[in-house]
Amino acid sequence: GAVVSQHPSWVICKSGTSVKIECRSLDFQATTMFWYRQFPKQSLMLMATSNEGSKATYEQGVEKDKFLINHASLTLSTLTVTSAHPEDSSFYICSARTGGEHQPQHFGDGTRLSIL
Amino acid sequence: ILNVEQSPQSLHVQEGDSTNFTCSFPSSNFYALHWYRWETAKSPEALFVMTLNGDEKKKGRISATLNTKEGYSYLYIKGSQPEDSATYLCAPSNGTYKYIFGTGTRLKVLA
Repeated sequence: GAVVSQHPSWVICKSGTSVKIECRSLDFQATTMFWYRQFPKQSLMLMATSNEGSKATYEQGVEKDKFLINHASLTLSTLTVTSAHPEDSSFYICSARTGGEHQPQHFGDGTRLSIL
Repeated sequence: ILNVEQSPQSLHVQEGDSTNFTCSFPSSNFYALHWYRWETAKSPEALFVMTLNGDEKKKGRISATLNTKEGYSYLYIKGSQPEDSATYLCAPSNGTYKYIFGTGTRLKVLA
């Protein structure tokens, strides 16, 4: 149980294009979803937290207009990297949680994004 | 910002050996701590949720302890097996309820 599907697994695209990453909880309802970014040899860095039906809460230093997050249902959240540039190349991973803050997060497999 | 340190960064052990790693964090305003196992090409898997000082959790050959007063948690693996090879992440949270991930301990168990 507690399966999270993240799609796509990897994407290569040209600079200036927008890329959408989907995160779905397949067998549970996710009250909260999280988006992380990981740079090489660094820890998972929280980008934003989203609750279904409300605006995402972004961490300090994360551009809201660059990283658009939509949490339209209890099973789906999307991250759109708008007008992507090479510096946006990174590993992005989502997680989902049901219940209170003590509950563990269930992660997707991540998306490797490369912007040429 | 919560400063989370995990040590060692990486280690190799022989199959059958027992091993342990450390997660250090500020002790003030502690809320909870999660341990995850992250195998290559897979997603991080939750191992333990720890909340109380003195907590000890166990799952098979893996166990964890928590000391919130001094700000550390230990993860132990007894009789390591090749399938235990993974990166082990800890993520404590303070009163903001945000979980801050350490950089992990990369374990390689040699057959």
